[in-house]
Amino acid sequence: AQKITQTQPGMFVQEKEAVTLDCTYDTSDQSYGLFWYKQPSSGEMIFLIYQGSYDEQNATEGRYSLNFQKARKSANLVISASQLGDSAMYFCAMRENSGGSNYKLTFGKGTLLTVNP
Amino acid sequence: EAGVTQFPSHSVIEKGQTVTLRCDPISGHDNLYWYRRVMGKEIKFLLHFVKESKQDESGMPNNRFLAERTGGTYSTLKVQPAELEDSGVYFCASSQARVGVLDFGPGTRLLVL
Repeated sequence: AQKITQTQPGMFVQEKEAVTLDCTYDTSDQSYGLFWYKQPSSGEMIFLIYQGSYDEQNATEGRYSLNFQKARKSANLVISASQLGDSAMYFCAMRENSGGSNYKLTFGKGTLLTVNP
Repeated sequence: EAGVTQFPSHSVIEKGQTVTLRCDPISGHDNLYWYRRVMGKEIKFLLHFVKESKQDESGMPNNRFLAERTGGTYSTLKVQPAELEDSGVYFCASSQARVGVLDFGPGTRLLVL
């Protein structure tokens, strides 16, 4: 069974500083995908970044980067130069690619990030 | 391009009543998913449609939940009769490809009293 662990229920960061949100995963699949979503107070889920298990380079999207350490089964999200608008809940998720018809995501419990001015 | 929309945004009902949630995916997205987040817990998969066919409904909690996607466009999720533990946020998501990024809707917040 898959499992996503986000050990930080809440995190605080000063505006303009960088912050790392932790995510570890557990899977027996060789092929899988890792996602980060942001959920601001308005409720919508916003896709941030994706990392495939076979991707050799860490994914980056603007101020977001994914620190993928396959041997450690970790996929930490790094937000550089934090902005007040980054305050939100952040979810790590994994999709198994083991074939068949199952492409559902498994989510962690989330980390609530607060950016202080 | 319009995103995934869900209706209603909030619903408050009494135990035993029926509620129907609606999801309109992004146009052209064959894959439609329902997820649910119960207070304090993880977001959990409910089911997956490919066009009008149920591809995977392994996450549906019990037979009080019925999902449909007639014509392969919008989808409805009916809870009948609702129980207290059904309270939570119900998310719909869609994707063009099976392995594509999921675009989520804003969610429907359901409260069963």
